[in-house]
Amino acid sequence: QVQLQESGPGLVKPPETLSLTCSVSGNSMGSHYWSWIRQPPGKGLEWIGYVFDIGTTKYNPSLKSRVTISIDTSKMQFSLRLTSVTAADTAVYYCARGGVLRGLDYWGQGSLVTVSS
Amino acid sequence: DIQMTQSPSILSASVGDRVTITCRASQSVSTWLAWYQQKPGKAPRLLMYKASSLDTGVSSRFSGSGSGTEFTLTITSLRPADFATYYCQQYNAYPWTFGQGTKLELK
Repeated sequence: QVQLQESGPGLVKPPETLSLTCSVSGNSMGSHYWSWIRQPPGKGLEWIGYVFDIGTTKYNPSLKSRVTISIDTSKMQFSLRLTSVTAADTAVYYCARGGVLRGLDYWGQGSLVTVSS
Repeated sequence: DIQMTQSPSILSASVGDRVTITCRASQSVSTWLAWYQQKPGKAPRLLMYKASSLDTGVSSRFSGSGSGTEFTLTITSLRPADFATYYCQQYNAYPWTFGQGTKLELK
């Protein structure tokens, strides 16, 4: 059974950098797409981007200038960096597997990140 | 970006009912469409992918159909655990986009 777990600070000051890590267990990371999705409180879902296998990435253009997603398969982790955050970046951030063929089939439980000074 | 529009936004139903949620795309996404169920405080759960394929372990009371720009998710014989918010998502083109959600509530 694949399990994903987000970790990182719950509070980030503007305009600092938000950094989250997703730890993966239960399966190899190879040949899968690893995504980040966020959900502002009380609102819908926004796909942030993914990293594939050896490091190919794809980002949402709305965030592209501020986002970096990286992967470390030796540690079974992938990470999100979002620079120059504002209050609008306050959200629950989810990591998830998959997406290209069969949707996002495994999700972490989510990590609430609040951007506030 | 491809806009995904769900209707209705809120759906009131009773246990045992059959309900249908519609998802429309602003341009064709072929059958690259997924459906998710989300309960308060929980991560979304994949129900359907490729428009009509049931994910592993999902009840056969859930079914999906459609292609191109119009899709439906149907739930038969509603159970208390089915009352949640449902999202469609297209993964035909970047950026992947979600519908705004349909909240299925108990009448």
